[in-house]
Amino acid sequence: DAGITQSPRHKVTETGTPVTLRCHQTENHRYMYWYRQDPGHGLRLIHYSYGVKDTDKGEVSDGYSVSRSKTEDFLLTLESATSSQTSVYFCAISATDTQYFGPGTRLTVL
Amino acid sequence: SQQGEEDPQALSIQEGENATMNCSYKTSINNLQWYRQNSGRGLVHLILIRSNEREKHSGRLRVTLDTSKKSSSLLITASRAADTASYFCATDALIQGAQKLVFGQGTRLTINP
Repeated sequence: DAGITQSPRHKVTETGTPVTLRCHQTENHRYMYWYRQDPGHGLRLIHYSYGVKDTDKGEVSDGYSVSRSKTEDFLLTLESATSSQTSVYFCAISATDTQYFGPGTRLTVL
Repeated sequence: SQQGEEDPQALSIQEGENATMNCSYKTSINNLQWYRQNSGRGLVHLILIRSNEREKHSGRLRVTLDTSKKSSSLLITASRAADTASYFCATDALIQGAQKLVFGQGTRLTINP
């Protein structure tokens, strides 16, 4: 998986609790992305980063925040998880046009 | 909203046959990419074709791009059981002023032995 790890790989949580997902890369790529994948919607961009402390919103950013304090780490936070945020979350990295994906985190919000 | 739309949504063929998947998109692009996703795994990049290219090959993969029709096709020749996966096209698109990849919903390909 191109030097990308995601943690945790699986998480079950309750509505209203905060959740943080971590993406770690060893490739020193500038760009990092968070996507969610849902049946019928494909892969949708949540947030992305174009450098340390430089982040911006994607198409489905409501209810999510991100932080990137180091090149290698990109954190996705659900401040107050809702059932609609049950999904599989993928992190990706890129240096140019091609993106390399992590193994995914399956999040269930009860 | 999805930029790329794959067709068909699902395809089932016999091992050894060729598989063709299509992707249509809405706005002008700089490049189009194809990715594969095995069940329970992340996406893996297969091939990138730029807007000034019409055809590209990589092993058993052949990708075509028709910018006048805003469409692309992915052909997998001599399919194998290991090709069973979902295949996604991705186009670059402007989102909030920055260039991003936008993925279609994918084609689920099943190769029957």
